[in-house]
Amino acid sequence: GAVVSQHPSWVICKSGTSVKIECRSLDFQATTMFWYRQFPKQSLMLMATSNEGSKATYEQGVEKDKFLINHASLTLSTLTVTSAHPEDSSFYICSATNPGLGSGEQFFGPGTRLTVL
Amino acid sequence: GQNIDQPTEMTATEGAIVQINCTYQTSGFNGLFWYQQHAGEAPTFLSYNVLDGLEEKGRFSSFLSRSKGYSYLLLKELQMKDSASYLCAVRDSNYQLIWGAGTKLIIKP
Repeated sequence: GAVVSQHPSWVICKSGTSVKIECRSLDFQATTMFWYRQFPKQSLMLMATSNEGSKATYEQGVEKDKFLINHASLTLSTLTVTSAHPEDSSFYICSATNPGLGSGEQFFGPGTRLTVL
Repeated sequence: GQNIDQPTEMTATEGAIVQINCTYQTSGFNGLFWYQQHAGEAPTFLSYNVLDGLEEKGRFSSFLSRSKGYSYLLLKELQMKDSASYLCAVRDSNYQLIWGAGTKLIIKP
């Protein structure tokens, strides 16, 4: 199998606070996880690629000090949105690839809807 | 630059067949994926093509022509639950996934 979970599924926070989102691969070890952001009616935007035990690779325009990514184990990656502002309100989705599957498709978590007041 | 093109929106009738096209220009090619995304939910994997030809999986089929930089997703016997966005994504020479903007498919009774 290839099940990916995310927690929380939704969160509302005040401007200036930090929010941590967890992404777990439940039935496989994921050496690589991906973090996406999706604004309403827009396509997925890759934010960063997270490799277990090393620093994440951020896409151009994504502030690494604002979006902290930690991939401490083969089954867990976390994204922390620091000092969140209303413009950070979005749907955040993680995905992982299962090295045991040859095609390398990404399996997505259910997403986390963040609303910053 | 790298580019994936697919129609923004399509409408079809329940029970009919619809074909969603995807053209791509990428630096290298290591496979093409189709995903389905219902509103407010994360994408789910539909199909993977790396060689030319047709891959059939139940009501859904996906076709690839690498020489033309072209793929299509064919949905047969459309059901109301097929109303969703369909995302085309290409894996380039660096094994990075390049995503299309998605095609919103509206199914009418």
